[in-house]
Amino acid sequence: EVQLVESGGGLIQPGGSLRLSCAASGFIVSSNYMSWVRQASGKGLEWVSVIYSGGSTYYADSVKGRFTISRDSSKNMLYLQMNSLRAEDTAVYYCARWLQLGNAAFDIWGQGTMVTVSS
Amino acid sequence: DIQLTQSPSFLSASVGDRVTITCRASQGISDYLAWYQQKPGKAPKLLIYTASTLHSGVPSTFSGSGSGTEFTLTISSLQPEDFATYYCQLLSTYPLTFGQGTKLEIK
Repeated sequence: EVQLVESGGGLIQPGGSLRLSCAASGFIVSSNYMSWVRQASGKGLEWVSVIYSGGSTYYADSVKGRFTISRDSSKNMLYLQMNSLRAEDTAVYYCARWLQLGNAAFDIWGQGTMVTVSS
Repeated sequence: DIQLTQSPSFLSASVGDRVTITCRASQGISDYLAWYQQKPGKAPKLLIYTASTLHSGVPSTFSGSGSGTEFTLTISSLQPEDFATYYCQLLSTYPLTFGQGTKLEIK
């Protein structure tokens, strides 16, 4: 079965760090474009970051310099390292696969992991 | 950055109704637009990609159209399970912006 399962969320103090993980099954993470999207409670979706199959990475301005997307081919995992966390980073974080059929869309999503930044 | 504006933000309709949601881009994005459905507490689900291609497994009551700056998502006959929030997303340039969402409620 093709699926994504996130983990690593939790309560963290402002200024702290957290690493989110996303375990993939049924497809190879390193052969695909993979992304992170977040959603604050009661709000809309916000794209966070992407990593290409070739390794290039891109970030939303709101997280640039603080978040790092990466992957581990041996474990078929995607990660999001989040540093210098702020209250406004509080959200459910989803990992997703970016289907590459003419830049198509995010076709597979995980169930999400909650990150709460609060003192 | 390219902005996406969805209209309406809220829509009240009945089972069996035909509804249309519009997504306007602040600059042309060709057909690099996708539509998603999200239900409370759940991850988004892909409905339409490249503006008009129906994703596998999505009912044919859903359709998408448009190119450039104006796009529409149409549900031809609302079913009870279609009441949800819908988002458009651009995939042409960074940031990969989402529209603000359209909440479709039962009348």
